[in-house]
Amino acid sequence: GIQVEQSPPDLILQEGANSTLRCNFSDSVNNLQWFHQNPWGQLINLFYIPSGTKQNGRLSATTVATERYSLLYISSSQTTDSGVYFCAVDPGFVGTYKYIFGTGTRLKVLA
Amino acid sequence: NAGVMQNPRHLVRRRGQEARLRCSPMKGHSHVYWYRQLPEEGLKFMVYLQKENIIDESGMPKERFSAEFPKEGPSILRIQQVVRGDSAAYFCASSPRSTGTRTNEKLFFGSGTQLSVL
Repeated sequence: GIQVEQSPPDLILQEGANSTLRCNFSDSVNNLQWFHQNPWGQLINLFYIPSGTKQNGRLSATTVATERYSLLYISSSQTTDSGVYFCAVDPGFVGTYKYIFGTGTRLKVLA
Repeated sequence: NAGVMQNPRHLVRRRGQEARLRCSPMKGHSHVYWYRQLPEEGLKFMVYLQKENIIDESGMPKERFSAEFPKEGPSILRIQQVVRGDSAAYFCASSPRSTGTRTNEKLFFGSGTQLSVL
């Protein structure tokens, strides 16, 4: 089956710093989402981005489907950005939503 | 416009008991997915259901686990005769139906049920 790898596994930042999180996948995908799991365990949709670039405030994401990777950029990080960031891909065809999750990047932002 | 609702938020069971986890999808969503997250790990797909149908249960353990999504009411994930290894966070997600390729469909997750088996 498809493999989804995220890097780095752990990241510690000083507040205000920028970071780039990477998601590599081993096969072509139909859909790709980025999620943030906050310290309380809630999963929050960040981006639906099977290809191209999107921006939402301090966050942006780029997926290069032909090269099988996606990047999540966090600028001017804040302590509330702490948590685990997951990339999830759907390798299926029409009507399948069996998202495969990566192992995540655990981010800690220090005040 | 309520999101995906899961209850209970926390569930404690003793070994051998049954655990029932409930999930009400977002309004207008007819597709439900259950995922399990073990401590310090990512989410693992368990089962995908539509109303009254199990579409894909390839991630479900063969024994003790079952899921349903009746015509009326929430989706239920049932774990019989729980063991300590079942302790995990169980997440439900929902999505509207897609009728075409590469449509802008997202998964929306509930807050999860943390199951602890004593």
